[in-house]
Amino acid sequence: EAGVTQFPSHSVIEKGQTVTLRCDPISGHDNLYWYRRVMGKEIKFLLHFVKESKQDESGMPNNRFLAERTGGTYSTLKVQPAELEDSGVYFCASSRSLANYGYTFGSGTRLTVV
Amino acid sequence: GEDVEQSLFLSVREGDSSVINCTYTDSSSTYLYWYKQEPGAGLQLLTYIFSNMDMKQDQRLTVLLNKKDKHLSLRIADTQTGDSAIYFCAENRGGGYNKLIFGAGTRLAVHP
Repeated sequence: EAGVTQFPSHSVIEKGQTVTLRCDPISGHDNLYWYRRVMGKEIKFLLHFVKESKQDESGMPNNRFLAERTGGTYSTLKVQPAELEDSGVYFCASSRSLANYGYTFGSGTRLTVV
Repeated sequence: GEDVEQSLFLSVREGDSSVINCTYTDSSSTYLYWYKQEPGAGLQLLTYIFSNMDMKQDQRLTVLLNKKDKHLSLRIADTQTGDSAIYFCAENRGGGYNKLIFGAGTRLAVHP
């Protein structure tokens, strides 16, 4: 099966601009997660979708971040307006069920805000 | 607190064993994981251990869990250059929704 696909792989934008990241989960996976790693620190949870519903968005840093998953398939994460501290690697992951043996991650989008 | 802690860097000689250590915070965590990230790639699940186990072995990988001390380790036997990567420890806080808490990652460098 195809893996979790994220694009773009890299994005460089200026402070104040808008960027939209996309994640295509593995087909049939109801659970979709966003994480990010900032400046070589720990990977932090952002939010969790079950199908099109936000199950847990406790990790979203502020209201400049908007995640959607219309139709319960792919998801987008929009940052508007972007700030310097938003730079980092944004990972998406998906799983078919809430199985505790982990889920499949994408390769990530490296976002650089200058 | 929230932190899962790992040392940031480990350097080993090819053929030696590598041991990467991690301390976690929540004694109620049900599963603990080791993920590997190679350059330019995503996070690959290497192995996981259920909290009622002390040890798990899978080919060259051995995971040891000390619940009393909240300490997890990953031993890689006969380390190869292909093992060079960043290794992340993670805990599953439970609650049914699989929110993972990660450490900052340990960069493993394997030299000849």
